[in-house]
Amino acid sequence: AQSVTQLGSHVSVSEGALVLLRCNYSSSVPPYLFWYVQYPNQGLQLLLKYTSAATLVKGINGFEAEFKKSETSFHLTKPSAHMSDAAEYFCAVSDEGDQAGTALIFGKGTTLSVSS
Amino acid sequence: NAGVTQTPKFRVLKTGQSMTLLCAQDMNHEYMYWYRQDPGMGLRLIHYSVGEGTTAKGEVPDGYNVSRLKKQNFLLGLESAAPSQTSVYFCASSKGDSGANVLTFGAGSRLTVL
Repeated sequence: AQSVTQLGSHVSVSEGALVLLRCNYSSSVPPYLFWYVQYPNQGLQLLLKYTSAATLVKGINGFEAEFKKSETSFHLTKPSAHMSDAAEYFCAVSDEGDQAGTALIFGKGTTLSVSS
Repeated sequence: NAGVTQTPKFRVLKTGQSMTLLCAQDMNHEYMYWYRQDPGMGLRLIHYSVGEGTTAKGEVPDGYNVSRLKKQNFLLGLESAAPSQTSVYFCASSKGDSGANVLTFGAGSRLTVL
């Protein structure tokens, strides 16, 4: 069964610094991969998704992620952190062959803190 | 567009009580899902539905029941609440059976079982 592992439950950066949130996936077939963001007391909203069209995916709010099959990774980056980026970030995988259809399997999440 | 609406937003129950969480979507989506979110655990799938009148079990279905009598609504029931069911519950919906479909989430329902 497919799964995702997010390395680091908490990442702290200074405003203006590079943001790097790590995600590795396990899937027997080419996966669809997603990053979602959750702001305090809110639901999840999509940042970006990988569907095999391009390995470098650009999302909202200046985030991007690169799909690397050789490393089974889909790390999320942003060149310059902003205070408003402080939130919890989830990596997720969806496999069309899975019995659960399009249900996403989520990682455990990474909390991003941004200090001034 | 309201998107996905969950009611209630907050609820406190005593052990053994029952309750129903309601999820409503106005996007004409076929698929609907219930997840629970617990600290350090991410989101785990409880039950899902691939269309009106259908339901199926997810990763953590025990202690929950669901119904999808109308396409736009997906109900999650707890027949006899337990403290282990204290959690934040999220409903989501998506268009269809492609893995590339994006899930749209509700704002969550925070349940505390004493």
